Amino acid sequence: DIQMTQSPSSLSASVGDRVTITCRASQGISKYLAWFQQKPGKAPKSLIYVASSLQSGVPSRFSGSGSGTDFTLTIISLQPEDFATYYCQQYYSYPLTFGGGTRVEIE
Amino acid sequence: EVQLVESGGGLVQPGGSLTLSCAVSGFTFSNYWMSWVRQAPGKGLEWVANIKQDGSEKHYVDSVKGRFTISRDNAKNSLYLQMISLRAEDTAVYYCARGSSARNVGPFDYWGQGTLVTVSS
Repeated sequence: DIQMTQSPSSLSASVGDRVTITCRASQGISKYLAWFQQKPGKAPKSLIYVASSLQSGVPSRFSGSGSGTDFTLTIISLQPEDFATYYCQQYYSYPLTFGGGTRVEIE
Repeated sequence: EVQLVESGGGLVQPGGSLTLSCAVSGFTFSNYWMSWVRQAPGKGLEWVANIKQDGSEKHYVDSVKGRFTISRDNAKNSLYLQMISLRAEDTAVYYCARGSSARNVGPFDYWGQGTLVTVSS
């Protein structure tokens, strides 16, 4: 199974900050990586697919990069509605696996 | 508008069974891979199973193989997850999620609101 490791597991930031979350795969997954945002008590929301493509309706302050084993999600100018938990997920091979999540909290 | 609505969750005793449903609308269901993803209380996301557009291909996470069965009825625009021999560790919110319209599984784009399954005596 491909293990997905996110770092940090949590971070504190302020509105307007630039935030970067890292996701590392235990083996190469090309660009078959997605990012999701989840707020408490809500379903996940899809943000990014194939490592860097934004889902429809996702603000351009979100961006993704990487390929192979190392990926990043960047939020430039963090907004109040961005405080949430973020998950990466590989869909390169079965079983499909998620990272452990990164909680973005208000500083 | 794309909508996925899960139902069928509830309280079940260990060893019991339950069938979840996901009713979809707003898109051509038969064109898409579909998945079930679960989230135990306070924990992260775990993919459970998926099924190809025509039902010809199904995949499961090891922990549910032999106990869970994913199926779909394209005429009814519905996805199902039959769960037997339930264990306490199956307690979670279960989400259905839409995958790709391509030949391969692809990323999830839309999710339902989830249905809670509690396995407890």
